[in-house]
Amino acid sequence: GESVGLHLPTLSVQEGDNSIINCAYSNSASDYFIWYKQESGKGPQFIIDIRSNMDKRQGQRVTVLLNKTVKHLSLQIAATQPGDSAVYFCAENGSSNYKLTFGKGTLLTVNP
Amino acid sequence: DAGITQSPRHKVTETGTPVTLRCHQTENHRYMYWYRQDPGHGLRLIHYSYGVKDTDKGEVSDGYSVSRSKTEDFLLTLESATSSQTSVYFCAIRANTGELFFGEGSRLTVL
Repeated sequence: GESVGLHLPTLSVQEGDNSIINCAYSNSASDYFIWYKQESGKGPQFIIDIRSNMDKRQGQRVTVLLNKTVKHLSLQIAATQPGDSAVYFCAENGSSNYKLTFGKGTLLTVNP
Repeated sequence: DAGITQSPRHKVTETGTPVTLRCHQTENHRYMYWYRQDPGHGLRLIHYSYGVKDTDKGEVSDGYSVSRSKTEDFLLTLESATSSQTSVYFCAIRANTGELFFGEGSRLTVL
């Protein structure tokens, strides 16, 4: 079947390099942001989130940066591994506390 | 594993037939969602529920209806399937901290 990865921005990196995936969000009222990872044939998987009272949050090998001035979100993956190959989506809550709006995603390919 | 089960996982049907997709959760969360995912569009919200018998429309609700008679089950119905409803459908639940957890998806093909 047709892959969700078609028509997406792509990022190709070498194994061991750091990856940076960017997302421009649209709603200035958004105060909650999430990054998801989606592997082929699977559902989106939560990676990390950040609230608007922070500009940086770190997890295991991942860091999310939030720049509210320019409405920009980024996901940094350290020492990228082949298992990190997937589509990555950002999501924002807009003016709702109960609904998320998703970006179209970026396809990350890690070359061994 | 977020305790979400979707069924069926794959279905092929013909235009004009009714289709129901089921989402079952074991987490007792109040909020449940149905999204569709299509190439070039990302995830788009169809309907969501904020409690038993409480539902609301999302951005692409035309042609779809939902029902929530029990906390654990959220059903998505296509009363008369069309080819434009060929898609992958994802159910999600909202954790108390705000993030959504997704099921594995139901791939629907309407011929």
